[in-house]
Order: sequence, then C-alpha cells, then structure tokens
Amino acid sequence: SQTIHQWPATLVQPVGSPLSLECTVEGTSNPNLYWYRQAAGRGLQLLFYSVGIGQISSEVPQNLSASRPQDRQFILSSKKLLLSDSGFYLCAWSVPWGDEQFFGPGTRLTVL
Amino acid sequence: TQLLEQSPQFLSIQEGENLTVYCNSSSVFSSLQWYRQEPGEGPVLLVTVVTGGEVKKLKRLTFQFGDARKDSSLHITAAQPGDTGLYLCAGFRRGGSEKLVFGKGTKLTVNP
Repeated sequence: SQTIHQWPATLVQPVGSPLSLECTVEGTSNPNLYWYRQAAGRGLQLLFYSVGIGQISSEVPQNLSASRPQDRQFILSSKKLLLSDSGFYLCAWSVPWGDEQFFGPGTRLTVL
Repeated sequence: TQLLEQSPQFLSIQEGENLTVYCNSSSVFSSLQWYRQEPGEGPVLLVTVVTGGEVKKLKRLTFQFGDARKDSSLHITAAQPGDTGLYLCAGFRRGGSEKLVFGKGTKLTVNP
C-alpha cells in the first residue's frame, strides 16, 4: 500500500531564516506530487505541483520554491521566511492524470 | 476560473440531527471528491463521484453528484460527535490540468 510522509510535523522559525520541508511517498512510482498551504483551517491553496523529476509548476508567485530531486521526493523551500509564510503545509500525491489525491499529515509552520 | 462554492461555511448541530452540505459550481467536472479533515491532520478522501446523478453511501453519509455534474451534496444522518471536522469538496476536469479545484470547506461541529 502507498504511504506519504512529511517532516517535520511542526516548525517554528524566525523571520528571514531558510526553510526546507520534505515529502516522500512510498509504494508507488511516478506519482504526481503537490504542495498546498492551508490557513486557519479553511480551504487549500495549491502552491506547486510536479508530474515528474525536475518538473515543477508554480501556481502562486511567492517567497517559496519547490524541487523534485527524486521520483518520490518533493521539497518545499524558502531562502528567507516572511511572517505571511506561516500556515499548515500539506503534501499530496496522485497517480498520473488521477482525480484522487492522497494527503500527508502536514507540517505546521510558525514564523515569528 | 473554476470555483467551487461550499455552503454553509459553518454548521453546529446536536448529536442525532441530520444535515446536508452543498458544493456548487458553474463549471462541469469529470468527477468530484469529498474529503474530511480533522484539526492538525491532512484531509482524508471519503468518496469520488463520477456519473451525473450518481449517489454513493458510506454508512450514515450519502453523497450525490448533480445531473449536470456541476454540483454535489453530502447528507449525514443521525450525526455523531465523531463526524466533527472540515468537509472539503474538490473537482477534477479530465483533459485539463492535473489539478483539483477545492472549495473552502464546511466546518461541522456535532455537540454531544
């Protein structure tokens, strides 16, 4: 069966510090991978998605970037965090062209 | 822009009551998914509906896809405190981008 992992689970970082959040998927090959941000327990904002290694589509111009160095690894990064980067970050995967996405447990980021 | 509007945004009811939440759009979707999310966790897929008019049941939850595949509803019978959570609908268009369009969610609280 497939599983998706995210770490860390929680993170408190000062403004201006760098960020690296990691997501890995097990039990499937060539998945589509997605990064979302969720504010205040409401809807999901798609940040980036990837259909293959090195292929990244950005949805929202912002202070963040994403990379996919391996087939089942997706990384969300920032060089300098802003207060507005605080939120709940979710990684998800789907099969190629699949309509169902499966989410990881999320990372709670607080920027102080 | 494909938007999914969910209503109500918030719903607080007593244990044993019935409820319906709605997910509406002016766009046609190939399929629609419903997720439930508990605080501090990732969304969990409940169901996918594909055919216009389709009805799916999951224990006390009944999901319906509109005939025109533009809207959906979720009905919960005899709600229990364990049903508490954020209910999200998401639409997928086959042949478009490999992304889901998410509604902003309905936050349900079932009081014992």
